[in-house]
Amino acid sequence: NAGVTQTPKFRVLKTGQSMTLLCAQDMNHEYMYWYRQDPGMGLRLIHYSVGEGTTAKGEVPDGYNVSRLKKQNFLLGLESAAPSQTSVYFCASSPSRTLETQYFGPGTRLLVL
Amino acid sequence: AQKITQTQPGMFVQEKEAVTLDCTYDTSDQSYGLFWYKQPSSGEMIFLIYQGSYDEQNATEGRYSLNFQKARKSANLVISASQLGDSAMYFCAIHPYNQGGKLIFGQGTELSVKP
Repeated sequence: NAGVTQTPKFRVLKTGQSMTLLCAQDMNHEYMYWYRQDPGMGLRLIHYSVGEGTTAKGEVPDGYNVSRLKKQNFLLGLESAAPSQTSVYFCASSPSRTLETQYFGPGTRLLVL
Repeated sequence: AQKITQTQPGMFVQEKEAVTLDCTYDTSDQSYGLFWYKQPSSGEMIFLIYQGSYDEQNATEGRYSLNFQKARKSANLVISASQLGDSAMYFCAIHPYNQGGKLIFGQGTELSVKP
């Protein structure tokens, strides 16, 4: 039982490049989330999903797209990376809406030059 | 809109002493959960404790307890008998139950435990 895993752990991009971050969970959770954390700040929600095939916008969705084609995977895409997207990205999952905790992945550190 | 406020950017505590980290929240929802997470320098988010808005008793988990005052909209974390390994960032978060399970985080408090 690996919990929540994220791929890659670290990536450097040039402005304008695209990439996809992969989040996978093996706990059969319905809900999955993508957050970003900037220096000195708490996490902010980018997008989330309440089930396979569904996604919704969070607090800071601009510049990102997501897909949940399989229940266990939640992909975060950057179509044209910008330096403002330099951040640490966390994925999380939870079993239900009235959750008692969210389970976080280890994070992906992204640097956009 | 929901908001979490952590007014203490940094705190110091002597090893073995207790420390309280402040958290106030703003929400119009009646049903919600409150969380505390620890983030050590290694970066992972570690769940510490949870309090539901309808829970009448304050949550406790080992050395962690949550001082929940619903009328004042505060959910302070109390760490008893501080240890050097408690040095980390601590985040308070609120989860409104009718908003898809998402968490709204505060800006965090950096706790340093002195030997």
